[in-house]
Amino acid sequence: AQSVSQHNHHVILSEAASLELGCNYSYGGTVNLFWYVQYPGQHLQLLLKYFSGDPLVKGIKGFEAEFIKSKFSFNLRKPSVQWSDTAESFCAVNNQGGKLIFGQGTELSVKP
Amino acid sequence: DTGVSQNPRHKITKRGQNVTFRCDPISEHNRLYWYRQTLGQGPEFLTYFQNEAQLEKSRLLSDRFSAERPKGSFSTLEIQRTEQGDSAMYLCASSLVFDRPEEFDTQYFGPGTRLTVL
Repeated sequence: AQSVSQHNHHVILSEAASLELGCNYSYGGTVNLFWYVQYPGQHLQLLLKYFSGDPLVKGIKGFEAEFIKSKFSFNLRKPSVQWSDTAESFCAVNNQGGKLIFGQGTELSVKP
Repeated sequence: DTGVSQNPRHKITKRGQNVTFRCDPISEHNRLYWYRQTLGQGPEFLTYFQNEAQLEKSRLLSDRFSAERPKGSFSTLEIQRTEQGDSAMYLCASSLVFDRPEEFDTQYFGPGTRLTVL
């Protein structure tokens, strides 16, 4: 069965620090990969997605993620976080459409 | 705002009661998904529709759960004889999918309905 693993459950950073959140998935076929974010009091929003092509994808608010097929990974990065990046982030995968399989989420707290 | 909307936003019910939630997808989106999210976990897939056809149901969706999308627009999720274990956030998402294989499924989520079963 497909599964998604997010290694960091809670990350605490100071403003301007760099961020990398780990995401690994288990699935042998072709996948689409997503990062969703949920800011306090708001609903899930799409941060970025990978379907094909360039494995380095850029999303909103300066976030990017790199798909490394050999490692089954899709880590999320941001060079310099801001207080407004405080949120919970979810990595998700599907088999080229259909249901999403989500990781359990990483809560990011950015200290001003 | 023409995003996904869900009603009600909160529902408190007593164990054994039936509840129904509604989801209105983004206009013209042909796919509609239901997920459930409990505290500290990512959303878990329940079921999805393409137009009015229910294409997949999770094993999580017991006989007490039923979902419909009768006209291919809004959808309802009903839970009969609620149990305390049904307490969760119920999320709806919609997407527009074409037949071409390169057109992939990007799901947009609503605010959710938080169910509390006492």
